[in-house]
Amino acid sequence: TQLLEQSPQFLSIQEGENLTVYCNSSSVFSSLQWYRQEPGEGPVLLVTVVTGGEVKKLKRLTFQFGDARKDSSLHITAAQPGDTGLYLCAGANNAGGTSYGKLTFGQGTILTVHP
Amino acid sequence: DAGVIQSPRHEVTEMGQEVTLRCKPISGHNSLFWYRQTMMRGLELLIYFNNNVPIDDSGMPEDRFSAKMPNASFSTLKIQPSEPRDSAVYFCASSYRPTNSPLHFGNGTRLTVT
Repeated sequence: TQLLEQSPQFLSIQEGENLTVYCNSSSVFSSLQWYRQEPGEGPVLLVTVVTGGEVKKLKRLTFQFGDARKDSSLHITAAQPGDTGLYLCAGANNAGGTSYGKLTFGQGTILTVHP
Repeated sequence: DAGVIQSPRHEVTEMGQEVTLRCKPISGHNSLFWYRQTMMRGLELLIYFNNNVPIDDSGMPEDRFSAKMPNASFSTLKIQPSEPRDSAVYFCASSYRPTNSPLHFGNGTRLTVT
């Protein structure tokens, strides 16, 4: 069973601070996705990283996929209250030649940004 | 694009009752997923359909849970009989292809079994 461990589980910071969320596994993933979920809603995709070492930027958010494709990080610069939410990483494994990329989700990081 | 539509948004029922959750995926998507989310266990995949056929149901907790997809635009998840430990938020998600494709989630059904 592939597991994804996210840390920290909870993060409470002030507006303007920087933060990093980590997603780690002992397994290799074909790709990794980051989602953000707000209360009462379903998760919404932020980014997909596919290549080991890949870095993607989405405004103040920077996503990195580890060289070995076992880990990923999400860095937010100058956090704003609107960034508050649950951040989930999800790894896809296309092993076995199947086109079914079953996603394994991490437990999530609950981020609260105080004004 | 109306997104993935789930109903009901909230369901409160008594232990032993049958519960049916409904999902309408995004038109044109050929993959549908049912997830369950709790604080303790996070998001768990229950079952995955591709082209209306169940491909992976290894996450279905037990025989009390069943899911159907009679056509490309509708799926149900049924729990019979329901138990308090089934209380959770149940999400339906769809995608066009499973490989590296993002999941589009509905807003979930919050189920409370008393």
